[in-house]
Amino acid sequence: NAGVTQTPKFRVLKTGQSMTLLCAQDMNHEYMYWYRQDPGMGLRLIHYSVGEGTTAKGEVPDGYNVSRLKKQNFLLGLESAAPSQTSVYFCASSYQDSLSGANVLTFGAGSRLTVL
Amino acid sequence: KNEVEQSPQNLTAQEGEFITINCSYSVGISALHWLQQHPGGGIVSLFMLSSGKKKHGRLIATINIQEKHSSLHITASHPRDSAVYICARGQGAQKLVFGQGTRLTINP
Repeated sequence: NAGVTQTPKFRVLKTGQSMTLLCAQDMNHEYMYWYRQDPGMGLRLIHYSVGEGTTAKGEVPDGYNVSRLKKQNFLLGLESAAPSQTSVYFCASSYQDSLSGANVLTFGAGSRLTVL
Repeated sequence: KNEVEQSPQNLTAQEGEFITINCSYSVGISALHWLQQHPGGGIVSLFMLSSGKKKHGRLIATINIQEKHSSLHITASHPRDSAVYICARGQGAQKLVFGQGTRLTINP
């Protein structure tokens, strides 16, 4: 099993360009998430999905769009990239532990995005 | 103020030392997660606990629900333990709130 795979791993964009980050998981997890990680700050949730065809906003959704057309894939789009979106992006998927109700997470390796 | 506070932010120790990283949170939880992130690497889930203590190899995680506090301990620390350790509190079924992380450096 590959777990959670993110592509691309690195990308440099110019301000105003668009791009899509792909997250794929092969664990049949219902829940998927996109986070960004910035120096001195904890991981912040951008968008998440509780199942195929559903998405919801997280803590910092502005400037991003997502889609979950297939259960195994969660796409993060930047329509018009801005320097403030320079960050490391992590995708994660999870299933719900039946005893505690909490989520057991698996993270991807991260995608480093630089917007000039 | 972050809802999840970790201390210390940075920790440097010598190989073999006993390491403790603390995590405090302000609201009730369903679970507390400990994660490990190596330099330039991905994030690995170490523990998820809602009460008591869990142990995996040289790593031990404890939680005190009443005091809203958790600790991660590393016994017989090794340079390969050098990483950023992140705690996160579970908020219901989906969203987690993350601490800022503790950067641990173990010198040989």
